[in-house]
Amino acid sequence: SSELTQDPAVSVALGQTVRITCQGDSLRSYYASWYQQKPGQAPVLVIYGKNNRPSGIPDRFSGSSSGNTASLTITGAQAEDEADYYCNSRDSSGNHLEVFGTGTKVTVL
Amino acid sequence: QVQLQESGPGLVKPSQTLSLTCTVSGGSISSGSYYWSWIRQPAGKGLEWIGRIYTSGSTNYNPSLKSRVTISVDTSKNQFSLKLSSVTAADTAVYYCARGVYDSSGYYSDYWGQGTLVTVSS
Repeated sequence: SSELTQDPAVSVALGQTVRITCQGDSLRSYYASWYQQKPGQAPVLVIYGKNNRPSGIPDRFSGSSSGNTASLTITGAQAEDEADYYCNSRDSSGNHLEVFGTGTKVTVL
Repeated sequence: QVQLQESGPGLVKPSQTLSLTCTVSGGSISSGSYYWSWIRQPAGKGLEWIGRIYTSGSTNYNPSLKSRVTISVDTSKNQFSLKLSSVTAADTAVYYCARGVYDSSGYYSDYWGQGTLVTVSS
């Protein structure tokens, strides 16, 4: 079972803002990274560390963290942002292992 | 531009060993402070981290799979590999390889292969 919990699905109106959350004990100590996955495609890194975007990722994607919760915010959601989003971080064992969140399906209305 | 490509049998019989290889192009697998991972995804389900290897040969595995998993690296071929023994239908999934980074931002995977479907069936 995953140690990182996400809401299964969220929806957002075109051009509005949506926040996707990821909860887990390990997030009190470690950063989360976020991946976007569209149907039939490999995941794509969109946010890592405190709030870093890889080259080519639009600045409408941002990350934040508080306590045991990491968040990915899409400000001004576009139709192409409709996808599954997964958080990823170290597990809570203290070992250098990784775990993915349960995933959130984002629908742009 | 780094590219990763998975290869291997698409069909494996129950109780046998699943073997996949990831070929890295566009850069040396030994350069930089990277690690190399395997991740899988059953149809319609979420991502599961399988494990990683550094070019030093050091490995970390998902505890739930550790007894059945071996990840190895062949720097001369710019490849790394996954072996998963005693497979069952529950191991049917798309398997991804990825390049990982570990720095002050934590662990993250910046390049992924396209994925390969492995079906476990007799």
